[in-house]
Amino acid sequence: KAGVTQTPRYLIKTRGQQVTLSCSPISGHRSVSWYQQTPGQGLQFLFEYFSETQRNKGNFPGRFSGRQFSNSRSEMNVSTLELGDSALYLCASKVWDRAQETQYFGPGTRLLVL
Amino acid sequence: GIQVEQSPPDLILQEGANSTLRCNFSDSVNNLQWFHQNPWGQLINLFYIPSGTKQNGRLSATTVATERYSLLYISSSQTTDSGVYFCAAYTGGFKTIFGAGTRLFVKA
Repeated sequence: KAGVTQTPRYLIKTRGQQVTLSCSPISGHRSVSWYQQTPGQGLQFLFEYFSETQRNKGNFPGRFSGRQFSNSRSEMNVSTLELGDSALYLCASKVWDRAQETQYFGPGTRLLVL
Repeated sequence: GIQVEQSPPDLILQEGANSTLRCNFSDSVNNLQWFHQNPWGQLINLFYIPSGTKQNGRLSATTVATERYSLLYISSSQTTDSGVYFCAAYTGGFKTIFGAGTRLFVKA
């Protein structure tokens, strides 16, 4: 099976703009989670979607939003970009198998806000 | 909220050495996972281990949920083990809290 794919891989934006990142999970996986990784704050949970429903959201402002489509692909959007939004954004698809949860991460999208 | 602390923050090993990485969590968790992030940023799931001990090749992990800690053992380390090791605690409501990581460098 193909792994988790994320597009674009690299992105440069300016303050005030908005950005949309895409994540395609492994075929058959219905759960997608998003994370932000920065040198200062480390890895932080953004949100998780399962079957097009947001199951939970981390402690991020409303400028961060997401959605999941019927084919399990997910997008996250950041509006009114700030310098501090520069980060590696990771998505992961998750599967339960024999009472074990396994997350498979994509390569990430590196966002630079100037 | 729950706090997840990892130690040591940095570790340098000679190839072939063994090491133990520790993860402490401040409250009860639903489960715990260990991940490895390689130098290129790719995160790999290592263990899903809410309690007990698991082994996978040269790696093993133990979680003692009642004492709120988990350990990751790396035996006979190799240069490809270099990277950052994260533990992540899962709390109620599907929230994931990551530790700050242990940065490992294995010298040839």
